[in-house]
Amino acid sequence: SQQGEEDPQALSIQEGENATMNCSYKTSINNLQWYRQNSGRGLVHLILIRSNEREKHSGRLRVTLDTSKKSSSLLITASRAADTASYFCVPYGGATNKLIFGTGTLLAVQP
Amino acid sequence: SQTIHQWPATLVQPVGSPLSLECTVEGTSNPNLYWYRQAAGRGLQLLFYSVGIGQISSEVPQNLSASRPQDRQFILSSKKLLLSDSGFYLCAWSGLNSNQPQHFGDGTRLSIL
Repeated sequence: SQQGEEDPQALSIQEGENATMNCSYKTSINNLQWYRQNSGRGLVHLILIRSNEREKHSGRLRVTLDTSKKSSSLLITASRAADTASYFCVPYGGATNKLIFGTGTLLAVQP
Repeated sequence: SQTIHQWPATLVQPVGSPLSLECTVEGTSNPNLYWYRQAAGRGLQLLFYSVGIGQISSEVPQNLSASRPQDRQFILSSKKLLLSDSGFYLCAWSGLNSNQPQHFGDGTRLSIL
């Protein structure tokens, strides 16, 4: 299992703006998952993108995956104050049942 | 639909006291189960995971242990808590398929005094 590295570590934007968070990883993957964690709460799964997929959408979320660059990005469009949370990317290699979480990107959306 | 229950939500314990945190899953069978700990402002550290009843894998040496007495029940325990055991403990489950995400409980905030 490997850990994704999110960038930036922290991001502050105004409500209505778009937020882009990036993720890099080191070895080949089976899929890559994005999670959100509101302060003091458990994590919520947002999107899973398989290694043979390049882009995936879910509501205001858009995830891209570039396996040649070993990178992924999460775009939140028209952000809201409720999007304020930490966002984690988790690359999954498939060899074990484990996910390894990094420190995430802390997104603050100012009303 | 599947749900995961974790309790208690908060817990304050003295150093040296025992610990038991419980996690149960409903609406699924044979889940993989996980215990994580999160220090303030940090990422999640995987503590234990289980692929079946009585099957526990420990990720880091520590003062904690885990048990899975039933298919959908996962328990985190300690005989004597240390100050360093303070943190936010999260339980999660996933399906057996490697393309399935993990689903988390609401966590237990544990403070050791």
